[in-house]
Amino acid sequence: VQVVQSGAEVKKPGSSVKVSCKTSGGTFSSYTISWVRQAPGQGLEWMGGIISVFGTGKYEQKFQGRVTIFTDESTSTAYMELGSLRTEDTAVYYCAVTGIPAGNDDFDIWGQGTMVTVSS
Amino acid sequence: EIVLTQSPGTLSLSPGERATLSCRASQSVSSSYLAWYQQKPGQAPRLLIYGASSRATGIPDRFSGSGSGTDFTLTISRLEPEDFAVYYCQQFGTSTRRTFGQGTKVEIK
Repeated sequence: VQVVQSGAEVKKPGSSVKVSCKTSGGTFSSYTISWVRQAPGQGLEWMGGIISVFGTGKYEQKFQGRVTIFTDESTSTAYMELGSLRTEDTAVYYCAVTGIPAGNDDFDIWGQGTMVTVSS
Repeated sequence: EIVLTQSPGTLSLSPGERATLSCRASQSVSSSYLAWYQQKPGQAPRLLIYGASSRATGIPDRFSGSGSGTDFTLTISRLEPEDFAVYYCQQFGTSTRRTFGQGTKVEIK
C-alpha cells in the first residue's frame, strides 16, 4: 500500500485549504484514515479521521466546525479541508492509513506530509 | 479524555547506552491499542511498537515495549547512531481517535 499526499500550500488567513491523501495497492474500504498535524517544532496532534464504509468523519473537538474529512472511493482518496485558517494553523499535515479497527496490527502507513503555510 | 504524559522530555545518552522512555496514561488504556513511534527531522512518524509490546515489521530487536494499565515503557537496549530521534507514545481510541504523548527527544550526549 502506498500513500501520497498533495503538495505544499500557502494560504491567506480566513481562507481554506484542502489536502488530499491518495492510496494505492490495497482495499480502500478496509482502511481507517486519520489526519494528524504537526506545527513547527511541536508534537503530533490528531485532527480527525474517517472509515470510508461508515461515511462520516470524526473530529477533535477543537476543530469542530472548521474541518471536514471525506473520501472518494472511486479514486481511493481521502481529503481534509480546513477552513477559517489562522496563522497558527501553519503546520505539516499528515494522513495515516491503518486497518479496521485501527491499531490492531502493524499496518500503519503515513503519507509524506503536506506543509500548509498561513500568512498574510 | 485520555492524556498521555511522556518522560523525560529529553534524554541525553551516548551510542551503545540503554534508553528507557516512559508513557503514563491519565486513565487505564487497553494495551492492545498502545503504540510507539519514532520521528526523525523532516520525516513522517514510523511505527515501532503496537499492542504495547509487539515490534512492527522490520524494527530491530533492540527496541522493546512493555507495560499495561496506565504505565508503558519503550526500551532501546543499545543505542545506534540512527536511533537519535523523537519518540511518541500513542493510543488508538474509539471513533478513529488517536491520542499522542508530547514526545521524548533522545539526543546524543
